[in-house]
Amino acid sequence: GQQLNQSPQSMFIQEGEDVSMNCTSSSIFNTWLWYKQDPGEGPVLLIALYKAGELTSNGRLTAQFGITRKDSFLNISASIPSDVGIYFCAGQEKGTGTASKLTFGTGTRLQVTL
Amino acid sequence: KAGVTQTPRYLIKTRGQQVTLSCSPISGHRSVSWYQQTPGQGLQFLFEYFSETQRNKGNFPGRFSGRQFSNSRSEMNVSTLELGDSALYLCASSLNRNTEAFFGQGTRLTVV
Repeated sequence: GQQLNQSPQSMFIQEGEDVSMNCTSSSIFNTWLWYKQDPGEGPVLLIALYKAGELTSNGRLTAQFGITRKDSFLNISASIPSDVGIYFCAGQEKGTGTASKLTFGTGTRLQVTL
Repeated sequence: KAGVTQTPRYLIKTRGQQVTLSCSPISGHRSVSWYQQTPGQGLQFLFEYFSETQRNKGNFPGRFSGRQFSNSRSEMNVSTLELGDSALYLCASSLNRNTEAFFGQGTRLTVV
């Protein structure tokens, strides 16, 4: 099945550092979503983006919807140990046939060292 | 407000058997989607139900099926289980078809 290109695949950072990850697609999406998943759990929604160029923050997290509608990025500022997990981007198409289908990225595994 | 509830959390089945997984969406949510997550393929869309009708289907064989009840609760069924069906099955609910999806904790299915 289709997966979006997400990078980096994994990253080790020190507590307090900023983190940046991005997601690219060959298809246009009308909504971009960012999720975090802990081991053995379901993805938890972090940020939802609805318009090209939109920049949205949720605490230390900031995400942007790319102008071309084919990409998105997520920044985490001043990382803390509980930021550890796998981050997924997801694109959602618009249209009566595919409106609810999410296409997920390959994931970025974040590990934070003290 | 309670989140998305999936039961059971863990399941072990033998090849050839069938299995039914259950999902209770967030109260008031009408759209339920199912996803399969494996290390090799990542998160893949299975199907979506809205108003008791399947609205969208992913690229999975006919052994995978589902349904939605009038209270929006959903079940998915996998028949003639194969080893490759071992995965985390995730249910997501949305208020409507175009709104953001919230996931349950998933059902970990192991086929032996």
